Amino acid sequence: AQKITQTQPGMFVQEKEAVTLDCTYDTSDPSYGLFWYKQPSSGEMIFLIYQGSYDQQNATEGRYSLNFQKARKSANLVISASQLGDSAMYFCAMREGGGATNKLIFGTGTLLAVQP
Amino acid sequence: EAQVTQNPRYLITVTGKKLTVTCSQNMNHEYMSWYRQDPGLGLRQIYYSMNVEVTDKGDVPEGYKVSRKEKRNFPLILESPSPNQTSLYFCASSLRWAGTDTQYFGPGTRLTVL
Repeated sequence: AQKITQTQPGMFVQEKEAVTLDCTYDTSDPSYGLFWYKQPSSGEMIFLIYQGSYDQQNATEGRYSLNFQKARKSANLVISASQLGDSAMYFCAMREGGGATNKLIFGTGTLLAVQP
Repeated sequence: EAQVTQNPRYLITVTGKKLTVTCSQNMNHEYMSWYRQDPGLGLRQIYYSMNVEVTDKGDVPEGYKVSRKEKRNFPLILESPSPNQTSLYFCASSLRWAGTDTQYFGPGTRLTVL
């Protein structure tokens, strides 16, 4: 079963508007971390924001915020005031606390295009 | 500046010619890992290391070797590269290996094996 699901292969948003990228996850481990990464066309993987499973408040980092709904197992990324430079692939990822390799498990990504 | 560096960034080689992709981090991280990214397959872990001299296989270790002789370095070795190892490779590191530890990625190495 897929552990990280991103159901939006691609999205458009107008510059200066807000956009929500969806992510749902599946785990039985009570301790885990949820991460969002941005991959621009140049290829690097840029860390954006992190949410811990025990965190009571939603994470925020500048224009990025994470809408964490633990009971629904969702961790949506909200980008406020979109900029042209936000055009990129966005990956949701999870790292389980008790996993043998403690690797990051990635979703398939959402390609965001910001239109002027 | 805290960072993970990889070299080379781009490499074109031929089948069977041994190569090494270097990875170095300056954050005193204990955990380091290699991933490959392929279209339609996403990112998959190749090898990981929890500390110096401690390495183990990830999901797709065949055809690769690693070593962790120093805390900061974690090179990826392809003894006899083949075309199916053409991919985008990422090195990543985190302070430790807890589920809540953020992994920071290097800039990636685009490898083409002819």
